Amino acid sequence: SQQGEEDPQALSIQEGENATMNCSYKTSINNLQWYRQNSGRGLVHLILIRSNEREKHSGRLRVTLDTSKKSSSLLITASRAADTASYFCATGDSGAGSYQLTFGKGTKLSVIP
Amino acid sequence: SQTIHQWPATLVQPVGSPLSLECTVEGTSNPNLYWYRQAAGRGLQLLFYSVGIGQISSEVPQNLSASRPQDRQFILSSKKLLLSDSGFYLCAWSLAGGFTGNTIYFGEGSWLTVV
Repeated sequence: SQQGEEDPQALSIQEGENATMNCSYKTSINNLQWYRQNSGRGLVHLILIRSNEREKHSGRLRVTLDTSKKSSSLLITASRAADTASYFCATGDSGAGSYQLTFGKGTKLSVIP
Repeated sequence: SQTIHQWPATLVQPVGSPLSLECTVEGTSNPNLYWYRQAAGRGLQLLFYSVGIGQISSEVPQNLSASRPQDRQFILSSKKLLLSDSGFYLCAWSLAGGFTGNTIYFGEGSWLTVV
């Protein structure tokens, strides 16, 4: 099955700076989702972008999708210390009847106050 | 609104002992239910999913099993734990139908340490 791979594995920035995380995948998808995980907690859904969409915004989050390059990026603007967490992309298969999202290994973001 | 409860939050079990992790969802009917495992520094691995009572699909051959005795209850079990079963286990749910287009909602997870 396909797998999203996040890049970089770890990112450390100062509060107020923007954080950009990238995700690459291997085969056709019908959507790509980003999730956030605080240390030792469950994952929380952030945003879903469909394969026919190129950009989506939600508050300080901006997600782009380039299906020709099989890649997506998550931009967090004006970062805050509370944004410190791991961020995962997850891809859904384009085939019908597929039950799973495939998650990458995540990018660990540290925002320094 | 929908909520998901998962317990216990933490447990330490000896090798060879049984395991039972339980998960319940409130506020929705006939959800898809999932068990994921997250090893340290790794991504999430789907272990089991269920689309209805008594319907369990396994994604990875392993020492674990899952059951869905009620519509909104999902249980992860093992008869004899191995050291390699240690990890962070996450229960999750999504709306029925349109599986890969749906958001997955996660519980808070259960930390299992096998010693």
